[in-house]
Amino acid sequence: EVQLVESGGGLVQPGRSLRLSCAASGFTFADYAMHWVRQAPGKGLEWVSGISWNSGRIGYADSVKGRFTISRDNAKNSLYLQMNSLRAEDTALYYCAKDLSSAMIPLSLDFWGQGTLVTVSS
Amino acid sequence: DIQMTQSPSSLSASVGDRVTITCRASQSIGSYFNWYQQKPGKAPKLLIYAASSLQSGVPSRFIGSGSGTDFTLTISSLQPEDFATYYCQQSYSTPYTFGQGTNLEIK
Repeated sequence: EVQLVESGGGLVQPGRSLRLSCAASGFTFADYAMHWVRQAPGKGLEWVSGISWNSGRIGYADSVKGRFTISRDNAKNSLYLQMNSLRAEDTALYYCAKDLSSAMIPLSLDFWGQGTLVTVSS
Repeated sequence: DIQMTQSPSSLSASVGDRVTITCRASQSIGSYFNWYQQKPGKAPKLLIYAASSLQSGVPSRFIGSGSGTDFTLTISSLQPEDFATYYCQQSYSTPYTFGQGTNLEIK
C-alpha cells in the first residue's frame, strides 16, 4: 500500500524558515517524480514544486521561486521542501504527492499524503 | 502561466442525475490535463489523467473528454459518494495550474 506521510509543519513567524519532509513507502520511490501541492484554508489547490526521479528536473510555482527548495533522498525514500523567507500567504496545508511518471512532465498525481499544516503568523 | 477556468463554480444535483463540469485552458494544452476529486478534510484523488484516461479503481461513471483548450468531466449517474469538489489541472507546462474548483452539492 502506498503511503506518504508529511511532517515538519507548524507555526512560524514571517521571514523565518521551515523544512517539510515526506516519508514514502509501498512503492519504489526512486522510480517516480514527486511534488508538493498546497491548499490555503478554504481555498483551492496550488502546485508548489516538483522533482523528477533523479532530481534532474525541478520546477517551482512563481509564488515560491527563489524562496523554496525541493529535494529528495532516494536512499531514504524521502522528499523535502525547504521553505525560507516565509510569508503570511504561504499559510496552507502542504501535501506531498506521487506522480504517475518518473519525469515530472506530464504531471498526474496518483497518490497524496494527508498534509502538514504550515501557519505563518507573528 | 496557463490559466484554467472551471464552470460552474458550484452545482446542485440529485442522485441519479447526469452532470457535466467544464474547464477551459488559456492556451492549447493538447491532452495534458487531469481531473481530481476532493472531499472535505481529505486529500485530493486523481480521477482522470491525460484528459480521458480513467485512473485505476475509479468508477466508469466518470468520463473525461476534450483536447486543446476545452475539457469536460461527466458523471453519468450521480451517486451519494460523488458529492465533493472537483478540480481540473493542466499538466502541459510548469507551473502546473489548477482550476478554481467546482463544488458539487446535493439538491
